[in-house]
Amino acid sequence: DGGITQSPKYLFRKEGQNVTLSCEQNLNHDAMYWYRQDPGQGLRLIYYSQIVNDFQKGDIAEGYSVSREKKESFPLTVTSAQKNPTAFYLCASSDNQPQHFGDGTRLSIL
Amino acid sequence: QKEVEQNSGPLSVPEGAIASLNCTYSDRGSQSFFWYRQYSGKSPELIMSIYSNGDQEDGRFTAQLNKASQYVSLLIRDSQPSDSATYLCAVGWDAGKSTFGDGTTLTVKP
Repeated sequence: DGGITQSPKYLFRKEGQNVTLSCEQNLNHDAMYWYRQDPGQGLRLIYYSQIVNDFQKGDIAEGYSVSREKKESFPLTVTSAQKNPTAFYLCASSDNQPQHFGDGTRLSIL
Repeated sequence: QKEVEQNSGPLSVPEGAIASLNCTYSDRGSQSFFWYRQYSGKSPELIMSIYSNGDQEDGRFTAQLNKASQYVSLLIRDSQPSDSATYLCAVGWDAGKSTFGDGTTLTVKP
């Protein structure tokens, strides 16, 4: 079945550590997105990519980095510069509109 | 900054009633509009898309769009306890990107 796979489902980060969240899609979508969701809040755009080897910052890119080396994959690294990383991270993809989401990764600080 | 505003909620309706969820948006040039349902702890699921003025119906769900008033709504007829969730309004723009509202939490009481 076509879909978006995020892993891991739960992730814990130690102080000063970088962690990477995986997002893979087999929908052949050109565009991929990373969002952060805090409790009781909507989705805030971190980074997006409309084509391989190209990506743009969203509204809250500070403390995060991404790469897009393959069409299917758009990993997100939460760096130690992100001082408040605890949140639900959602990856989405689209072929223009609308966006479809993976199951998310819940990140917490140890 | 493109903005999307939703009823702050929470909204509570009895089983069998009509639930009405509302959303306004700031960008008059927006062309695509979506409603997502998000169960607690889960990722958003697309339930309705609407692109032109008027009503779009799918089973018990009706999306209504009024571009002149920059207003989009979701009606849920014969509400069921399983409809209890947070509903996110999203407005699509520029090449696949979307701006999301903060969501309205709906509780359907048996």
